[in-house]
Order: sequence, then C-alpha cells, then structure tokens
Amino acid sequence: AQKVTQAQTEISVVEKEDVTLDCVYETRDTTYYLFWYKQPPSGELVFLIRRNSFDEQNEISGRYSWNFQKSTSSFNFTITASQVVDSAVYFCALSEGVGADSWGKLQFGAGTQVVVTP
Amino acid sequence: NAGVTQTPKFQVLKTGQSMTLQCAQDMNHNSMYWYRQDPGMGLRLIYYSASEGTTDKGEVPNGYNVSRLNKREFSLRLESAAPSQTSVYFCASTPGTSPLHFGNGTRLTVT
Repeated sequence: AQKVTQAQTEISVVEKEDVTLDCVYETRDTTYYLFWYKQPPSGELVFLIRRNSFDEQNEISGRYSWNFQKSTSSFNFTITASQVVDSAVYFCALSEGVGADSWGKLQFGAGTQVVVTP
Repeated sequence: NAGVTQTPKFQVLKTGQSMTLQCAQDMNHNSMYWYRQDPGMGLRLIYYSASEGTTDKGEVPNGYNVSRLNKREFSLRLESAAPSQTSVYFCASTPGTSPLHFGNGTRLTVT
C-alpha cells in the first residue's frame, strides 16, 4: 500500500505565483522522517529537506517553506513567488528506518510535476 | 568530480537477456542503494547494502540480484530481463548521517 500520497499529479502556475504541494503519509511508527526531493528536467535528484517526527516546527528556507502537521499526517511544501527554475518534479518521501537507514531507506510518493511559465 | 557514477547511461535489452548495472562512489560511504523510477510511482527501493559485505532486499527485489563488490562498488544484475523492468535506475549512497547522493541514472528499455 502506498505510504506516501501526493494527490496532485501536475500543477501549473505563472511566474511569481505561490504554489503548495500536498503530501500525506501513513505510518504506525512514532519515530520517522519526512523528506522532499526535487527532480529538475535534467533528471538528477536534489535533496531539499528532512524533518523528524518529533519536530513539528515549520521551516523556511528562502522561497521554500514546509508545514508539518502530525494531526493530519501531512508535510506540505510551498514555493513562494515561483520562478521558471522551479519547474521540476517534487517528491515527498518517508523513512521508517533507524540510523543510516533513516537517510537511505525511503518510500517515495508518486511526485508532483510543477510547471512555471513566464 | 566526487560522487556516484553509474554505467551505462542508456541500455536496450531484449526479453530474456541479462545485464549488470554498475555503480561506484568515491565518497567512502558505507551505505549504498538501488532505486527504480517509473512514471506515476515515484522511486522504489530494489536492494540496499548497509555496509561492505551485506545486502538486503528492498520493496521490489524480484528479478534482480546485487553484489557489494567492495566499499566503492554496488552492482545490480538482471538475470533475465522482462519488459516490466523497463525503468530508470538510480544508485545512491550515504554515509548514514546525511542525505543520499544519487547517480545520474541508467535508462533501461526491455523490448
């Protein structure tokens, strides 16, 4: 069963609009980790963020922000004032591993394609 | 440049043929992983190796074998390729305290 659901297949926005990507996860573990990765058209995978299950503080990094809500099992990602360079596929992922596995054994969502047009 | 190197970049196989995907990292990482990426399904873990000499199954191991040849190299073998194995394969590594470093991927087509 899919443990990470990204219901939005594709989102199209015009440059400078904000875009929010939804991620809903499922786990019975009390300790787990959530990730976001970016895959631009060139195909490489770029790490954006990792949060552990005990840290529900929202995080902001430049134009990127993340909202983690355990009550709704969601870890949403917002790009503020989008730019053409933000066009990519964005993956949410869950790790229920411990130690090194917490970084490497990931369960990915299906991804959301973001298209930003000038 | 330091990183994860995958070869080949592209491969076309006929059903039933075998091949080995090569992966090498020069960052002295202990843990290495093989993922496959299919449209609409994200990435799925095939096999991983927590350290030299150990390998474990991931979510979708059927039809694959792996070898952790040494600390640097982790290969993925398809003994008898099937069309369902058409995919993009990513190798990745981590020291266990920081994010995965991914290779650039191998695009495999099985006809």
